[in-house]
Amino acid sequence: DQQVKQNSPSLSVQEGRISILNCDYTNSMFDYFLWYKKYPAEGPTFLISISSIKDKNEDGRFTVFLNKSAKHLSLHIVPSQPGDSAVYFCAARGGAGGTSYGKLTFGQGTILTVHP
Amino acid sequence: DTGVSQDPRHKITKRGQNVTFRCDPISEHNRLYWYRQTLGQGPEFLTYFQNEAQLEKSRLLSDRFSAERPKGSFSTLEIQRTEQGDSAMYLCASSLAGQETQYFGPGTRLLVL
Repeated sequence: DQQVKQNSPSLSVQEGRISILNCDYTNSMFDYFLWYKKYPAEGPTFLISISSIKDKNEDGRFTVFLNKSAKHLSLHIVPSQPGDSAVYFCAARGGAGGTSYGKLTFGQGTILTVHP
Repeated sequence: DTGVSQDPRHKITKRGQNVTFRCDPISEHNRLYWYRQTLGQGPEFLTYFQNEAQLEKSRLLSDRFSAERPKGSFSTLEIQRTEQGDSAMYLCASSLAGQETQYFGPGTRLLVL
């Protein structure tokens, strides 16, 4: 039962353009969403997050959008840089009282490649 | 460096052997989590602690796996009688209770031959 899905295994973007990474979820009890970036042989690095009471959160070049009715979130990177090339994971945390509270449920990841 | 640390970074073992991994969380964090990641997948939750209490265990955590956090600081994850299917990256994360962001360590990559 894949509660968090990233349907695009990979994305290739030109330097300077926008990268859009997508994530869908099924569990309506999720109340907090996070994006992590991961390089090979390293642990995930926290990028940006959003609470379910918001629909947008921005931090520098990174913006996360949440559409609760569609159970969909996206990460926008503008402008994209070659150093952004990595695997990106979305993750969701369950709300208090739910079975997913405390732990994070991750998608399968999207490999982003930014070409110079 | 005040981040999450894990030891060892790599472990190669033979099937049937026992292995133990250590995680040191960020010093003021009272929650500690273990995840497992296999190739092409996202991290999967195994278990988590608040202080020394183990609050939740995934059904992925068979009886060959045991985790401890005896003094509410560092944690160990032991796998007994390892199997080839245990080969994975084992990730540790920590957070402050009430704060949603979990910070991950570099992971321990286990290979069972």
